[in-house]
Amino acid sequence: GQNIDQPTEMTATEGAIVQINCTYQTSGFNGLFWYQQHAGEAPTFLSYNVLDGLEEKGRFSSFLSRSKGYSYLLLKELQMKDSASYLCAVRRGGSQGNLIFGKGTKLSVKP
Amino acid sequence: EPEVTQTPSHQVTQMGQEVILRCVPISNHLYFYWYRQILGQKVEFLVSFYNNEISEKSEIFDDQFSVERPDGSNFTLKIRSTKLEDSAMYFCAGPGPGTREQFFGPGTRLTVL
Repeated sequence: GQNIDQPTEMTATEGAIVQINCTYQTSGFNGLFWYQQHAGEAPTFLSYNVLDGLEEKGRFSSFLSRSKGYSYLLLKELQMKDSASYLCAVRRGGSQGNLIFGKGTKLSVKP
Repeated sequence: EPEVTQTPSHQVTQMGQEVILRCVPISNHLYFYWYRQILGQKVEFLVSFYNNEISEKSEIFDDQFSVERPDGSNFTLKIRSTKLEDSAMYFCAGPGPGTREQFFGPGTRLTVL
């Protein structure tokens, strides 16, 4: 079966660093995605990892360990606008395969 | 981020009616995808469409659903006889130009009464 786990909710302080973890067990793997989703809006693409290691993009970084079925999204210098849900998703099939999503982590950034 | 557009933004319909949701994906790409998200739940894959054919579909995508590319650019998702449980956000997604990412359209909020 397909299983993607991430914490339901997290709280952090403005200016701080937060790490959102994701573990997955899927039949097949061809990349792990992170999306940001504000309430009532569409998911916005943040990052994509297909090889082990860290990908950095501005304040956001994403890490992948395929052997452990584990990824994390690191958000630095948190801003109030970062309050949103963060979705972990795995692509199982080929390079254009569909995505299987976790339930998302709702991050609240407080002053 | 490449643009995917969807219409309408919100559709209200009566149970048992047919609805057609429309998507204009990134130009010159052969792949596109439909996902849905019931309020408060996770994003779920419905169907992928490649080169004018369904390439993969989930258990959710039963006989009441169909996808078409009627005019070579727009893609449609049709629900023949809507049920209350079809109420959800429906997202069209496509790859970026020459990339492996998937970018989502703004979505259509479907409300079945």
